[in-house]
Amino acid sequence: DTGVSQNPRHKITKRGQNVTFRCDPISEHNRLYWYRQTLGQGPEFLTYFQNEAQLEKSRLLSDRFSAERPKGSFSTLEIQRTEQGDSAMYLCASREAGKNTEAFFGQGTRLTVV
Amino acid sequence: KNQVEQSPQSLIILEGKNCTLQCNYTVSPFSNLRWYKQDTGRGPVSLTIMTFSENTKSNGRYTATLDADTKQSSLHITASQLSDSASYICVVSYQGGKLIFGQGTELSVKP
Repeated sequence: DTGVSQNPRHKITKRGQNVTFRCDPISEHNRLYWYRQTLGQGPEFLTYFQNEAQLEKSRLLSDRFSAERPKGSFSTLEIQRTEQGDSAMYLCASREAGKNTEAFFGQGTRLTVV
Repeated sequence: KNQVEQSPQSLIILEGKNCTLQCNYTVSPFSNLRWYKQDTGRGPVSLTIMTFSENTKSNGRYTATLDADTKQSSLHITASQLSDSASYICVVSYQGGKLIFGQGTELSVKP
């Protein structure tokens, strides 16, 4: 499978625990995006990378959230001290640099905080 | 503020009928506009990408239009099928490379 891969697909965690999600983009894509989507809403931008550089972070990304892309390939999104409001689908997308290149999404990681 | 607004929020149509979904945006500077289809519990899948200079683009039974002057786009679905039931999301890219998503239109096609 050469698409965008996200792991795990589902995660249930207790409030206060830390969780980490992984995204493996399409190999030649140097841009990688993280989005959060709650039920009935469109995805909300969290952050994006060009290669290993984190170029922009949304105000939605509180201090409890951190994202990395250490070698410009896969990325991780960590949420510390999870809260029930963090329950959502976390989507990763990647695309080649360039204005009109297509963005491909992974299947997402569904987080449930109980 | 960069925003993408879609209407209607939800739509129910009978199989075989046509429908049109609307998208208005205030994103600037504009780079391109994309329509995505998202099945429940899955990631969005791209249908079309249109740049500033393109007025219309088709992908099978899907036809997207763009009026960059009025900052409006529409997605027309012809001869709907049950498998078209999904959320359709309008996404605008601006020149910083960020993608701004609308809230989506939930389409339900009934037999």
